[in-house]
Amino acid sequence: QQQVKQSPQSLIVQKGGISIINCAYENTAFDYFPWYQQFPGKGPALLIAIRPDVSEKKEGRFTISFNKSAKQFSLHIMDSQPGDSATYFCAASEDSSASKIIFGSGTRLSIRP
Amino acid sequence: GAGVSQSPRYKVAKRGQDVALRCDPISGHVSLFWYQQALGQGPEFLTYFQNEAQLDKSGLPSDRFFAERPEGSVSTLKIQRTQQEDSAVYLCASSNTGEAFFGQGTRLTVV
Repeated sequence: QQQVKQSPQSLIVQKGGISIINCAYENTAFDYFPWYQQFPGKGPALLIAIRPDVSEKKEGRFTISFNKSAKQFSLHIMDSQPGDSATYFCAASEDSSASKIIFGSGTRLSIRP
Repeated sequence: GAGVSQSPRYKVAKRGQDVALRCDPISGHVSLFWYQQALGQGPEFLTYFQNEAQLDKSGLPSDRFFAERPEGSVSTLKIQRTQQEDSAVYLCASSNTGEAFFGQGTRLTVV
């Protein structure tokens, strides 16, 4: 059973455009929702994270929107740049530091110059 | 060290061979996690340590997989009698009170 569902599988965006990746979850015990960025040959790196008590969090060009009632959350990358080309994973856990992280299946993002 | 270090970076094993993968977490990090990442997939949880105690091993796919962290720092993931389906990148992560930091992983190829 896939606890965190992510779409799309791949995404191509023009430079300067907005990249949007969507995720949905089932487990209402999840209370920490991080997004990870992974480059080829590297481990995932935390990009931005949110807890369900807020509906939006913005850090620079990256924004998480969170809809607790729908059990959905999304990542928006504004003014997308070629350097943003990577695989993005949404994830969820019951505790940010002491619990396993459940990852989505990933979105391969390509930014066209 | 500055980050989570894993060794070896690449390992080719013949089917049936035993392998040991090492993880050096960030100094002082209490929590340590192992994940398995198949090609084109998201990482999947294997096991979790808090100091030397293995608190969750629910993700280990079979009794051929064994992990230890005897002194609460370095951890080893051992896979016995490797099978082709074990081919994947094995990721280690450590954390203290917040963000989990991942190593670059060990790419295991079973031939």
